[in-house]
Order: sequence, then C-alpha cells, then structure tokens
Amino acid sequence: DAGVIQSPRHEVTEMGQEVTLRCKPISGHDYLFWYRQTMMRGLELLIYFNNNVPIDDSGMPEDRFSAKMPNASFSTLKIQPSEPRDSAVYFCASSFVGEKQYFGPGTRLTVT
Amino acid sequence: GNSVTQMEGPVTLSEEAFLTINCTYTATGYPSLFWYVQYPGEGLQLLLKATKADDKGSNKGFEATYRKETTSFHLEKGSVQVSDSAVYFCALRPPNNQGGKLIFGQGTELSVKP
Repeated sequence: DAGVIQSPRHEVTEMGQEVTLRCKPISGHDYLFWYRQTMMRGLELLIYFNNNVPIDDSGMPEDRFSAKMPNASFSTLKIQPSEPRDSAVYFCASSFVGEKQYFGPGTRLTVT
Repeated sequence: GNSVTQMEGPVTLSEEAFLTINCTYTATGYPSLFWYVQYPGEGLQLLLKATKADDKGSNKGFEATYRKETTSFHLEKGSVQVSDSAVYFCALRPPNNQGGKLIFGQGTELSVKP
C-alpha cells in the first residue's frame, strides 16, 4: 500500500511568494496532521484534522499560514506570503482513530 | 502542561556498543508513550510504544519501559549497528486525548561508527 504522499519534496521560493504544500493521507485514515521541523524548534504540530474538520490549529504560527482538507484524500498547507523564517521541513502524517501516526517523507521548503 | 525532555545529542557510539537515550515526561494522569525514529531523508516512523505503567515496548532489539514513579521512558539497545544511525524522538499522547495528538521531544541524533 502507498504510504502518506507529499508534494513537492523540495520547494525553493522567494520571500513574499505563495507556497502550497500538498498531502495525500493513507486511504481509510480519519486523522491528518501537519508538522514543521527545524533545528531551532524541533518538531512542532501545526494543525490536525479529524474527518476533514480542523480540530486544533493552535500551533499555526500566524495568519500567513492556512490549511484545508476538502476531502478525505487531500490536504493543503499554504503560506502566503512566505518569509525566510518559514524555511523548514514540513511533514504530513495520518492515522486511524488516533492511533499510530504514519508520516510522509516531508517537503523541504527554502525561502530566500 | 504536557512536555517531553530528551537527552541532548548527538550520541556517537561504536558498533555493538550499548545504547541508552534518556526521556522524561511531564503529564497529568497516565499518558501513552512512544519512541519514533527518523532515518536520514525520511519521515518519522513508530519504533515502539507503551500505554500503561510498567509496560515494556520492544521492537528491532530496542526496548523502553514506562516508569511512572520516575516519569521516564528511556530507550535502550544492547548492541547497536551502523544501520541504527538516525534521530530518535520520544513522544507522549495525553490521556483522554481523542485525536491522537502527540507531544514530541526535541530528538536525539545517534551516530554509530563501524
């Protein structure tokens, strides 16, 4: 079975541009999580969904960040406008009834 | 609040050495505890877990015991291999958490030399 799929794997963009990260969770999973990983702050939970509904977005750093889950098989994390401090690896993870989380390979974002 | 503290890395060991990575936690009630591993260039994957006090989680030669009295969940392996080189994350899931939200430690990098 395919695991969690993220795209793109790498993204380089200039400050001020809009960035959209995409995630396809494992089929049948009902929870989806977005994380950010940096050397300075470690692994941070940004937001998570249950059955496509956002449950906790307290980790979203500011209004420049938004996340959507229009259906059970797709989610996006958007940054607009992007800033150099947003450079990080962004992970998507999914789980079934809140059990073991399966992580995607991550998207490495570089904002210049 | 809920938090996880891990020993700082990087940890460098020779092959076949004994490994301990310390993890302590703060939580109300009885959380579930996890170790995740991240190999270079990959996402995290679950290594082992324990859901109640005195439980021992084990996988691939790694073990960790849920110690309520010391609020610890130290990761151990008797003989490490070069292929164990990775970053290890301790995590907890708060009790009564319906969403499976995890609180991660900062990660400990392990490097095993031949």
